[in-house]
Amino acid sequence: EVELVESGGGLVQPGGSLRLSCEDSGLTFSDNWMSWVRQAPRKGLEWVANMNKDGSEKYYVDSVEGRFTISRDNAKKSVYLDMNSLRAEDTAVYYCARGFGAYSVWGQGTLVVVSS
Amino acid sequence: EIVLRQSPGNLSLYPGERCTVACRASQIVDDNFFAWLQHKPGQAPRLLILGASNRATGIPDRFSGSGSGTDFTLTIRRLEPEDFAVYYCHQYARAPLTFGGGTRVEIK
Repeated sequence: EVELVESGGGLVQPGGSLRLSCEDSGLTFSDNWMSWVRQAPRKGLEWVANMNKDGSEKYYVDSVEGRFTISRDNAKKSVYLDMNSLRAEDTAVYYCARGFGAYSVWGQGTLVVVSS
Repeated sequence: EIVLRQSPGNLSLYPGERCTVACRASQIVDDNFFAWLQHKPGQAPRLLILGASNRATGIPDRFSGSGSGTDFTLTIRRLEPEDFAVYYCHQYARAPLTFGGGTRVEIK
């Protein structure tokens, strides 16, 4: 059973914006930290951002700080990643994952391609 | 930032062989907040080990993790055909969370 479903990926020009969404079909969304992890083509996994249960704590990898914003809507059981000022190096499959780290539940990923 | 260096980068082994992957952290990983994940092409990553040595739910006992502080090891006792994949170490002790560069385990 797929518990996390991402959407919103696609092709965007450098400097553009995109919003990724991740809907959680589990029963305890509002009790969990939520995270985003990405994998660029032919590269390894890279942690991007995470957020606590009520959104009062957010952390980002340095390379996206100030450009990406993680947010959540507990009523909709969804987490979002707003990505601005996109660069070619942001091209990757973006996964949402449940938890602060050591993720046991992942989505299938959504592909973001930044290219002109 | 805690940098994780995995070795080796690639392993070529026969099914049934023992597989050992090492990961060294640039700083002590507090409380052993350390994990190992398996990743196959086109699939979501799969958590194998958390807390440095605890198998995640449903993970076969041929997978084991050990280590503490800055040095950690993943061992696969006897490789099964489905175990050929990329393996990542991961620290979740402090932000920014980090992953190692990955170890590709290939069939010889």
